[in-house]
Amino acid sequence: DIVMTQSPDSLAVSLGERATINCKSSQSVLYSSNNKNYLAWYQQKPEQPPKLLIYWASTRESGVPDRFSGSGSGTDFTLTISSLQAEDVAVYYCQQYYDPPHTFGPGTKVDIK
Amino acid sequence: EVQLVESGGGLVKPGGSLRLSCAASGFTFINAWMSWVRQAPGKGLEWVGRFKGKTDGGTIDYAAPVKGRFTISRDDSKNTLYLQVNSLKTEDTAVYYCTASITISRVVISGGALDIWGQGTVVTVSS
Repeated sequence: DIVMTQSPDSLAVSLGERATINCKSSQSVLYSSNNKNYLAWYQQKPEQPPKLLIYWASTRESGVPDRFSGSGSGTDFTLTISSLQAEDVAVYYCQQYYDPPHTFGPGTKVDIK
Repeated sequence: EVQLVESGGGLVKPGGSLRLSCAASGFTFINAWMSWVRQAPGKGLEWVGRFKGKTDGGTIDYAAPVKGRFTISRDDSKNTLYLQVNSLKTEDTAVYYCTASITISRVVISGGALDIWGQGTVVTVSS
């Protein structure tokens, strides 16, 4: 199975400042035939189901604010919130969907400093 | 409106069974890849399994902890996904989410990322 790790476990950022979350996979999730990374990012606010933010490692889901961006390739990925807003307080998960089981990272909790 | 509505959760004794249902609306169900994800209390997300859409062969994959005990099925005529959970253990206690990877022109847009999520149904396994 592909193991997903995230860092940090939690972070607190001032409103308007940048938040950066890292995700690492135990093996590459880049599919050579289409040059796509099978990596997604989700946001889960308290008492709500998760919501897809980013797929293909860097494609924003429709309706997701452009302050959210994804980058990386192969085994190392980053989710960046360019200017943290109060409504961004949540836990963020990465997930690989390259190979079943489609494992999630343990999550990163983002709070306001 | 695109929607997934789960039902069928409840309190069950260890060794018991339940059938969870997920009613889908607002998208082309027959081609969508449907998955179950669970979340134990205070814990992270755990992928349970996926049922590909008809145009992609309808294959099913499971996570190791549930393989042989859980069965995913779908009724495309009713736009409904099911999760039969047998031989339940206390560690199966979780919110069970139904999710969908939707298609446009029979192509899964996100390649399998989980576009749509239901609100979840709670399964509690306790004696």
